[in-house]
Amino acid sequence: DSGVTQTPKHLITATGQRVTLRCSPRSGDLSVYWYQQSLDQGLQFLIQYYNGEERAKGNILERFSAQQFPDLHSELNLSSLELGDSALYFCASSTRGGLDTQYFGPGTRLTVL
Amino acid sequence: GESVGLHLPTLSVQEGDNSIINCAYSNSASDYFIWYKQESGKGPQFIIDIRSNMDKRQGQRVTVLLNKTVKHLSLQIAATQPGDSAVYFCAESPAGRRALTFGSGTRLQVQP
Repeated sequence: DSGVTQTPKHLITATGQRVTLRCSPRSGDLSVYWYQQSLDQGLQFLIQYYNGEERAKGNILERFSAQQFPDLHSELNLSSLELGDSALYFCASSTRGGLDTQYFGPGTRLTVL
Repeated sequence: GESVGLHLPTLSVQEGDNSIINCAYSNSASDYFIWYKQESGKGPQFIIDIRSNMDKRQGQRVTVLLNKTVKHLSLQIAATQPGDSAVYFCAESPAGRRALTFGSGTRLQVQP
């Protein structure tokens, strides 16, 4: 158990809908990262937050957004969902957000029908 | 459980043998490298990392080797056990960036 928690574990929804994925980092970690894992794209970095502020952005679609709250938990919002958004979404956290180890949560499996 | 990377390269070893998993990286500016293990239905689990000022680092039963000249990273697992069966990913991070760029993964199958 990495200490990173994610909810829900599974999510099934329809195209065009909007969902919110939640992540709680390890105790004491200030940085949160979101990754998407699909069969054809592998693990892809989406976005990073550090102490409430966006720090780095990767291959995140405009339909997706994220935020980190004062209590350091983070939410990833996915809107206007398409079939191709079906994937595993992982959250990782690290202490400071530099070259320190990222610890991953168990993931949320999103299925868009 | 779900399948991650149905068409991953697979390394099959006998229990007790040593395993070597290889990874080629592309960005010569990367200065931090890390290996993760992912079991079915779980998130990536940290194994070992190495910075570019080193060429070898050892952990418990694992060793990571870094060859910057040919941009190659390897993970050696000693006395491989059935519990080592998983998909193994290498990841890199270029200087000045924090996000990890993951390789495509290798599936390790340990035969009892």
